[in-house]
Amino acid sequence: EAQVTQNPRYLITVTGKKLTVTCSQNMNHEYMSWYRQDPGLGLRQIYYSMNVEVTDKGDVPEGYKVSRKEKRNFPLILESPSPNQTSLYFCASSSGRGEGEQYFGPGTRLTVT
Amino acid sequence: GENVEQHPSTLSVQEGDSAVIKCTYSDSASNYFPWYKQELGKRPQLIIDIRSNVGEKKDQRIAVTLNKTAKHFSLHITETQPEDSAVYFCAASDTGSARQLTFGSGTQLTVLP
Repeated sequence: EAQVTQNPRYLITVTGKKLTVTCSQNMNHEYMSWYRQDPGLGLRQIYYSMNVEVTDKGDVPEGYKVSRKEKRNFPLILESPSPNQTSLYFCASSSGRGEGEQYFGPGTRLTVT
Repeated sequence: GENVEQHPSTLSVQEGDSAVIKCTYSDSASNYFPWYKQELGKRPQLIIDIRSNVGEKKDQRIAVTLNKTAKHFSLHITETQPEDSAVYFCAASDTGSARQLTFGSGTQLTVLP
């Protein structure tokens, strides 16, 4: 089954404690992205990747890091989380360059206290 | 960069009536315009998309129109049903860029029985 998976689905952590949210896709897609969803702000892109070892900043990259060492995986790293990073995070992948369906993961609900 | 504005933020309609959601975009290079539906607690899913060489596209009860001159596109849902209740996001992208999508802020559609 074609899918995008994320882990964990829910996470409560404290300010400053490094965390990683994993994302994996089994569709051999080149393009992967991370978004955060906040009420009234829609989905805002954090980082995107065009292929292995090729990543770039989206609209809200501050406080986040990513890596793309393998085509299927695109982890999101928060090295020193802060309360303003409390949000719902979605990973997505697609085969098209700027077009075609984005396949979203199930989401990760992160709370930073 | 691209900026996508979406209106209204909330919309309530009676079952069987039509619903219209409108979006404007800022970047004249954008040429791909998808719409995503997000049911409560679930991931966004593509419902319809349109490319800039087309003015209108229909899929059963859903249609999208695009006015490139005005940088404006709209989602039309006819004969609404309770299962159409969800958050709808418009988005825009320049397929010449790997940046993927810029999303609008979302519209909560409620179909009243």
